[in-house]
Amino acid sequence: QSVLTQPPSVSAAPGQKVTISCSGSSSNIGKNYVSWYQQFPGAAPKLLIYDNNKRPSGIPDRFSGSKSGTSATLGITGLQTGDEADYYCETWDSSLIVAVFGGGTELTVL
Amino acid sequence: QVQLQESGPGLVKPSETLSLTCAVSGYSMTTDYYWGWIRQPPGKGLEWIGSITGGGGTYRNPSLKSRVTMSVDTSKSQFSLKLSSVTAADTAVYYCARAILTSTDSYFEHWGQGTLVTVSS
Repeated sequence: QSVLTQPPSVSAAPGQKVTISCSGSSSNIGKNYVSWYQQFPGAAPKLLIYDNNKRPSGIPDRFSGSKSGTSATLGITGLQTGDEADYYCETWDSSLIVAVFGGGTELTVL
Repeated sequence: QVQLQESGPGLVKPSETLSLTCAVSGYSMTTDYYWGWIRQPPGKGLEWIGSITGGGGTYRNPSLKSRVTMSVDTSKSQFSLKLSSVTAADTAVYYCARAILTSTDSYFEHWGQGTLVTVSS
């Protein structure tokens, strides 16, 4: 069981907006920055969001991140079929002294 | 553009040691960054194994710590992972990555393509 909790799956129609939640605790999300990754089948994860809400160069602004208390959220607007992938949140846990990932969320664009 | 490439045996026998190397190109390995290992069992999520700086400082996942050894060779632009006493539960795709790691921040900027390591006799 992951230290960070994500919904196993989410779905939405093309062009719509979807949010993916990531719930943690005071020792991880509550005090540290959160990052998000996109992973297509058979491929390596790709950094989408770091430091809660910053996008690396080349990541479209359709992707956004936010954090409140011990939870973080990834938002994706203008959904495209090409966004179908698994999404993972990640942060540092200051008590466990470990980088922790959420269990992952499978996004389906209907 | 930073590029990372994992290499090593794709099949390891139970109780033996898994050894992987990650070659780094497009960036001179220094102490500015951490260099990490992450694995993903088939059909499952991501698990951080550990991270090492160009100077050799390390953080390791407590759940694997006793079995994990990491090293870095900046002159060859590569870093390595050894995982001892492997079992079938260690079967996974192993990724190397360039990492940011501070007291409040952890993320993996650039990833290798991953290499599947199967533990089987």
